[in-house]
Amino acid sequence: KNQVEQSPQSLIILEGKNCTLQCNYTVSPFSNLRWYKQDTGRGPVSLTIMTFSENTKSNGRYTATLDADTKQSSLHITASQLSDSASYICVVSARRTEIIFGKGTRLHILP
Amino acid sequence: DTAVSQTPKYLVTQMGNDKSIKCEQNLGHDTMYWYKQDSKKFLKIMFSYNNKELIINETVPNRFSPKSPDKAHLNLHINSLELGDSAVYFCASSRGEGGQNTGELFFGEGSRLTVL
Repeated sequence: KNQVEQSPQSLIILEGKNCTLQCNYTVSPFSNLRWYKQDTGRGPVSLTIMTFSENTKSNGRYTATLDADTKQSSLHITASQLSDSASYICVVSARRTEIIFGKGTRLHILP
Repeated sequence: DTAVSQTPKYLVTQMGNDKSIKCEQNLGHDTMYWYKQDSKKFLKIMFSYNNKELIINETVPNRFSPKSPDKAHLNLHINSLELGDSAVYFCASSRGEGGQNTGELFFGEGSRLTVL
């Protein structure tokens, strides 16, 4: 069964600190992996997309990594800001329209 | 311009009523979706629909039905509402279908349904 597991469930850090969110997946056949950010009361928005051949991709202070062998991805946030407080959802696409969501990591940035 | 818009944003209703949530996308996408986000914030697929195929999550009660008048709209009808239907419902769309699906979903802002 295709699954996406994220850790930690929630995370609290001080403004300015770095953090790393984890995503493990068992999805076959793998197409791509995306990280979404969902602000409170809003819909999720895509941050990055990782395909099978990509190891690292950055989007500003967000850096995603992918290890296709171990089926793991991480999202690293550098110099966190209050606006980074949100849920971060790992989403893996398989064949056709099958899209598998993780349960998300709730990140709280404290001033 | 809002890419994916859904109405209403908030809906409060009594148990047993029938209600609809509307969704429109102006992105020219081929596939549209409805997701349910429960109190634990987990997004679960309910339906995906393009002009050729409706895929229904088998766990969705048949009280829920999607209706697509055209490619840019996918409305969600709910009959005989129950307390457990209270949640936030998200509409989304994506480009392509089948093997061309890149997986990027564009979400609406959500419709919060409260059943009393």
